[in-house]
Amino acid sequence: ELQLVESGGGLVQPGGSLRLSCAASGFTFTRNSMTWVRQAPGKGLEWVATVNQDGSNKYYLDSVKGRFTVSRDNSKNSLYLQMSSLRAEDSAVYYCGRDRYGSCDYWGQGTLVTVSS
Amino acid sequence: DIQLTQSPSFLSASVGDRVTITCRASQGISSYLAWYQQKPGKAPKLLIYAASTLQSGVPSRFSGSGSGTEFTLTISSLQPEDFATYYCQQYNSYPRSFGQGTKVEIK
Repeated sequence: ELQLVESGGGLVQPGGSLRLSCAASGFTFTRNSMTWVRQAPGKGLEWVATVNQDGSNKYYLDSVKGRFTVSRDNSKNSLYLQMSSLRAEDSAVYYCGRDRYGSCDYWGQGTLVTVSS
Repeated sequence: DIQLTQSPSFLSASVGDRVTITCRASQGISSYLAWYQQKPGKAPKLLIYAASTLQSGVPSRFSGSGSGTEFTLTISSLQPEDFATYYCQQYNSYPRSFGQGTKVEIK
């Protein structure tokens, strides 16, 4: 069964850092790009970042460029999002998704990030 | 950057109704559009990709159409389990973007 399981969310102070992980199973991880999407409480979906199959190409939302880094470890079937200089407006549920030619056909359950003092 | 505008933002409908949601792109995106369904507290679920291709396992009452800048999601006969929020998403170019969502509620 295909599964994506996010972890690493939590409460962090403004200006702090956090690393999210997404463990993938049930498919050949190296065949797909992977994507992070977030959703602030009561708000809509917002695309955050995408990394291609071998990690050589990365794409970011303008508001997170220079603060967030997406990466993957294909030997561990894992996707990561390193977040730094966090702001209150980064508070959201963060989902990882398997990228299928641009749409996400499988999603994790999400991990909540709260940026607050 | 490409902006997606969905209409309406809120829709009240009855079981059995035919429902249509529109998504307009600020510039042409060919057929690089997906539709998702999201229920409260759950991850989004892919319904349609490439504007009109039904994702495996999605009921045939869902359909998508359009290309360029105007797209529609149609539910031919609304079922109780279809009450949710629907989002369009473009993947023609980066940054990818979502519409603001359309909440479908029970009349």
